[in-house]
Amino acid sequence: RKEVEQDPGPFNVPEGATVAFNCTYSNSASQSFFWYRQDCRKEPKLLMSVYSSGNEDGRFTAQLNRASQYISLLIRDSKLSDSATYLCVVNGGYSTLTFGKGTMLLVSP
Amino acid sequence: GAVVSQHPSWVICKSGTSVKIECRSLDFQATTMFWYRQFPKQSLMLMATSNEGSKATYEQGVEKDKFLINHASLTLSTLTVTSAHPEDSSFYICSAVPGPLIETQYFGPGTRLLVL
Repeated sequence: RKEVEQDPGPFNVPEGATVAFNCTYSNSASQSFFWYRQDCRKEPKLLMSVYSSGNEDGRFTAQLNRASQYISLLIRDSKLSDSATYLCVVNGGYSTLTFGKGTMLLVSP
Repeated sequence: GAVVSQHPSWVICKSGTSVKIECRSLDFQATTMFWYRQFPKQSLMLMATSNEGSKATYEQGVEKDKFLINHASLTLSTLTVTSAHPEDSSFYICSAVPGPLIETQYFGPGTRLLVL
């Protein structure tokens, strides 16, 4: 089983739509979880951390389910500028981050 | 905010040459820097952890003699791809950590390497 698994997509949605991504991780000892955004040919940028209680930042909501070992990201009212690859990232407890392959989102007019 | 730079941003070289990539933290001191590699449509893969003043820790499967890492100061780490071959063509990204919380990684813009 891969350490961090994501559906590669692409998810094609119209502007204004709500879209959700899931991610599963294999290491039950993982302590920290993040969503990063990566634009084509660019470095990844931190979108938000994911807490057990769930957290929201504007149109973005992240949730963590430790029992099932999955993380979700919900994007409401999609914008064209949201088009990117969203990376699920897990701190595996060995002082390193493990990245998923990413889920590609394409928002169309 | 914390800024990390990489140089060069892209490089094309002939097979067999060595390429050095620099990673600098511009406005903070980084005791730890990480080097990643990303192939097309693949995830970022950690290559090595670079600690200032000590030897780098390489991930399994990464040849330390091929990918030389030097972290000579708190603001600079270098990755040298020795005797590069076409299969080394990739997107190399560094990140720097300003403090003890390793998840606060700031990424450089990446270096795209193409070996002909």
